[in-house]
Amino acid sequence: EVQLVESGGGLVQPGGSLRLSCAASGFTFSTYEMHWVRQTTGKGLEWVSGISTDGDTYYPDSVKGRFTISRENAKNSLYLQMNSLRAEDTGVYFCARDEPPGGFNPWGRGTLVTVSS
Amino acid sequence: EIVLTQSPATLSLSPGERATLSCRASQSVRSYLAWYQQRPGQAPRLLIYDASNRATGIPDRFSGSGSGTDFTLTISSLEPEDFAVYYCQHRRSWPLTFGQGTKVEIK
Repeated sequence: EVQLVESGGGLVQPGGSLRLSCAASGFTFSTYEMHWVRQTTGKGLEWVSGISTDGDTYYPDSVKGRFTISRENAKNSLYLQMNSLRAEDTGVYFCARDEPPGGFNPWGRGTLVTVSS
Repeated sequence: EIVLTQSPATLSLSPGERATLSCRASQSVRSYLAWYQQRPGQAPRLLIYDASNRATGIPDRFSGSGSGTDFTLTISSLEPEDFAVYYCQHRRSWPLTFGQGTKVEIK
């Protein structure tokens, strides 16, 4: 069974950092592009980063320079390093597999990040 | 950035009725559009990719159409488990974006 399990969420103060992890199983992780998507009350679903099989990375302007996506194929793991966190970064963060020819499938259950003092 | 606008925000229907959801892009996304269903407390689930192709395991009461800037998701006859929020998403260019969602609720 294809499965994605996120971890690492929690409460952090504004300006702080957090590292999210996503453990993949049931498929050949190294052959798929992967993404992080967050869900916030104010903005619904927002794509926050993507990484190719070759390690090329992509970000929207809202997180560029603050978030870093990475992968460790030997550990079947995806990561999101989040720095300089802001209140508007609060939300549930999902990892998702990019399934050819086009769509995020499946998604993990998500991990909650709360940025508050 | 390509903006996706979904309408209506809420659709109130009864089981067995037909649901028609719209997604409009601010510029052409060709056919690079997907639809997702999200039930309360769950992660989104892929329904449709490339505008009109059902994902594996998705019932044939779900269908997608459109290209360019105007897209439609149709649920031919609503089942109880179909009452949920639906999102469209493009993958035409970076950054990828989602629509704000349409909630299909029981009338």
